[in-house]
Amino acid sequence: QLVLTQSPSASASLGASVKLTCTLSSGHSSYAIAWHQQQPEKGPRYLMKLNSDGSHSKGDGIPDRFSGSSSGAERYLTISSLQSEDEADYYCQTWGTGSWVFGGGTKLTVL
Amino acid sequence: EVQLVESGGGLIQPGGSLRLSCAASGFTVSSNYMSWVRQAPGKGLEWVSVIYSGGSTYYADSVKGRFTISRDNSKNTLYLQMNSLRAEDTAVYYCARAVVVVAATPVAYFDYWGQGTLVTVSS
Repeated sequence: QLVLTQSPSASASLGASVKLTCTLSSGHSSYAIAWHQQQPEKGPRYLMKLNSDGSHSKGDGIPDRFSGSSSGAERYLTISSLQSEDEADYYCQTWGTGSWVFGGGTKLTVL
Repeated sequence: EVQLVESGGGLIQPGGSLRLSCAASGFTVSSNYMSWVRQAPGKGLEWVSVIYSGGSTYYADSVKGRFTISRDNSKNTLYLQMNSLRAEDTAVYYCARAVVVVAATPVAYFDYWGQGTLVTVSS
């Protein structure tokens, strides 16, 4: 069964960097994922598609501070030079056998 | 500029019906894969349904047989007909454009989202 696992929460200081992790279930380590950001009281926003080799393509207007990387079954979202508006929920998402799957989301707090 | 604007949400009693709309601009709905995703209060995102450009439709098990996705090409609008509503269907419903990349391991993701419409099922 295709499952995406994310830590429920993360925190980092203003101006610092943070790396969020999304883990694919066993047997699915070749799958690409997408990262989405959801700021408080807003709809989600597509950040990037991230392939298993670490290559990624970002959505319109996504700053260079956002980058992605991969290692095995893990997919990462790194946000550098954290700003207050980066405080949000971050979801990873993938697709398998006609069904779209989301991770549980990581709530990022900017200290 | 791509825009998706949902409407049609509201308070509905259990067992009732509601139709959500998603008006699209900046692209053609019928040429794209379009989806509905929902978010229960305080919870994460849950995929609900998709309609492919060719017209095929798919549903999450939780809504199969109760919800119907469709589109009106002349209005460039996506719909979600929701019947036999339950309390657990209470959520903000988002429409989203989906991109599908045919490859050795297919990739599919949502590249544009609407702002959502709230559906509350309660007596």
